[in-house]
Amino acid sequence: DTAVSQTPKYLVTQMGNDKSIKCEQNLGHDTMYWYKQDSKKFLKIMFSYNNKELIINETVPNRFSPKSPDKAHLNLHINSLELGDSAVYFCATRGHNTDTQYFGPGTRLTVL
Amino acid sequence: KQEVTQIPAALSVPEGENLVLNCSFTDSAIYNLQWFRQDPGKGLTSLLLIQSSQREQTSGRLNASLDKSSGRSTLYIAASQPGDSATYLCAVRPEGGSEKLVFGKGTKLTVNP
Repeated sequence: DTAVSQTPKYLVTQMGNDKSIKCEQNLGHDTMYWYKQDSKKFLKIMFSYNNKELIINETVPNRFSPKSPDKAHLNLHINSLELGDSAVYFCATRGHNTDTQYFGPGTRLTVL
Repeated sequence: KQEVTQIPAALSVPEGENLVLNCSFTDSAIYNLQWFRQDPGKGLTSLLLIQSSQREQTSGRLNASLDKSSGRSTLYIAASQPGDSATYLCAVRPEGGSEKLVFGKGTKLTVNP
């Protein structure tokens, strides 16, 4: 029973398309994150949500829009995809009384 | 701006060897430091978390130390096994309430049977 799951695992699409990546957690955690790991392997935070409220929004293009329909889900919608969006996107969660973050398996996005 | 550096970028050792992975950070104003493991095609697994007031944490064959004033942390792996082969990432959480983690690029460890 996976704690943090992401769908899809792989996503290949054309430039200009709109796509979504879904994240679900069954840990009951209040805080969820989206990270981007680029081709140079740098992992950087994009967004953080706490109880469905946006907490952190790094300097990410507004083509990226996170949506949290409920505490267990944090989806990432990307409009007008560009070549530079190709990366692995990770969802993560953190419980209320802990600093440990739990990561999903990642979604590898390839924009052609 | 906080920067995290991990040296070496890659390390290959024979099975059974003890080894040390290094992590350095430019701003000592950190809240905590975490070591993660990343297996190919998979997400990150948290290994050890050291609060800024702590000097070290241990879990099984892993021991992580923190010298906050000098901006350094080490991850010591005892009696390495082929199953330890993975990329090890260090991440710091800055002081001041921001939850964001700043990651290093990782050290890719290969333990040869």
